[in-house]
Amino acid sequence: DAKTTQPPSMDCAEGRAANLPCNHSTISGNEYVYWYRQIHSQGPQYIIHGLKNNETNEMASLIITEDRKSSTLILPHATLRDTAVYYCIVRPSNTGNQFYFGTGTSLTVIP
Amino acid sequence: GAVVSQHPSRVICKSGTSVKIECRSLDFQATTMFWYRQFPKQSLMLMATSNEGSKATYEQGVEKDKFLINHASLTLSTLTVTSAHPEDSSFYICSAWDTHYGYTFGSGTRLTVV
Repeated sequence: DAKTTQPPSMDCAEGRAANLPCNHSTISGNEYVYWYRQIHSQGPQYIIHGLKNNETNEMASLIITEDRKSSTLILPHATLRDTAVYYCIVRPSNTGNQFYFGTGTSLTVIP
Repeated sequence: GAVVSQHPSRVICKSGTSVKIECRSLDFQATTMFWYRQFPKQSLMLMATSNEGSKATYEQGVEKDKFLINHASLTLSTLTVTSAHPEDSSFYICSAWDTHYGYTFGSGTRLTVV
């Protein structure tokens, strides 16, 4: 799986958009970008994933650059409950193979 | 959506004893299940991959005789920490995979060895 680089921590004001960057410059053509988050002392929660087109669901938007070497997860209106560690993972599509986590970004939403 | 139930959520055991953690996929059959360990302020570290009816595949550095994994059915995998020591105290998380739901994670088990 391609390696990802994320800032270790970020702050965001409540109600504002949280933009979490991820660099994956060695991504392969068949690898997707997945985002998960982990709220303290809970299991990881799936957020969104994409290959090359921008994606949006009820939780977030995923913007992938045209060269696919980086992406940004956008939480449009951050709430205190969005405080968590966010993991960007690059891997082939849903194959059931091993799933490895990097160090992630600790997002703190400030009132 | 898919739900993975992990039990117990917290356990305290004495040093030298063994403890079993269960991971169940409640509304789907999991071809593959994964076990992770997470120390405070660190990321999840994959310990092993288990497929129903076959031996688990352990990551490098993980002692297979200490962390026994059984995946006897498509909905249940167990992790037994044998002869637990304080350094085994950690947060253990399981994940189940199927073709429809992808990877679904349990809520984790906090193990404290005293």
